Amino acid sequence: AQSVAQPEDQVNVAEGNPLTVKCTYSVSGNPYLFWYVQYPNRGLQFLLKYITGDNLVKGSYGFEAEFNKSQTSFHLKKPSALVSDSALYFCAVSPGPFYGNNRLAFGKGNQVVVIP
Amino acid sequence: DGGITQSPKYLFRKEGQNVTLSCEQNLNHDAMYWYRQDPGQGLRLIYYSQIVNDFQKGDIAEGYSVSREKKESFPLTVTSAQKNPTAFYLCASSIEPPSAGYGYTFGSGTRLTVV
Repeated sequence: AQSVAQPEDQVNVAEGNPLTVKCTYSVSGNPYLFWYVQYPNRGLQFLLKYITGDNLVKGSYGFEAEFNKSQTSFHLKKPSALVSDSALYFCAVSPGPFYGNNRLAFGKGNQVVVIP
Repeated sequence: DGGITQSPKYLFRKEGQNVTLSCEQNLNHDAMYWYRQDPGQGLRLIYYSQIVNDFQKGDIAEGYSVSREKKESFPLTVTSAQKNPTAFYLCASSIEPPSAGYGYTFGSGTRLTVV
C-alpha cells in the first residue's frame, strides 16, 4: 500500500527566508503526488500536483515542488516565506493507473511557522 | 460555484447521543470520503464510498456509520459507541478513480465537541 513520510513535525523559518517542507513516499508504479495546505479550522486546500512531465511543479501562492524519482521525494519549496504561509501542510500520494487501491495516502502533516 | 459543503461548522454532543454530520457536493464526483483529524495525528480515514448505495470501512470505522443514497450526499453519524468523538471531521470528494490524477476536494470541516 502507498504511504507518505513527512519527517519533521514543525518547520520554523524567518520571514523572507526560503521555506522547504520535506516529503518522501512509497508507492507501486509511477506516483501521483499532491501538496495541500490547511489553515486553522478549515479544510485542506490544493496547492500543486505532479502527474507526469517536468519534475519541477509550480503551484498556488508561489509554491513549487520537485519530484525526485531516485530519492522517492517530493519536497515543497518557496523562495521567500511570508507570515501568511504559516499553516499545516500535507503531502499525499496515490499510485497511477492500473494499480488497485488508488486512494490518496496522506502524510501526518507539517506545521510551518514563519517568524516575522 | 461547484464545491463541497459541510454542516454544521461546530457541533456539540452530549454523552450517549448520536449526531449526524452533513456533507453535500455539487461537483458530480463519484467518490466521497470522511476523515477524522486530531492534533498531531494527521488524517485518519473513517469511511469512503465510490458509488451510490455502496461504501467501505476505513481505518477507524468503529462507532461511526454512513449512508450514500444520493450521489451528492454522504452523511456521517457519530454514534454513542464512539467513546472519544471530540475531533475535527473532514469530508472530501473525488472523481473516480482517483488515479485520474485530480486529487481530492475537501469541505471546510465540522468541529465536534462532547459536552
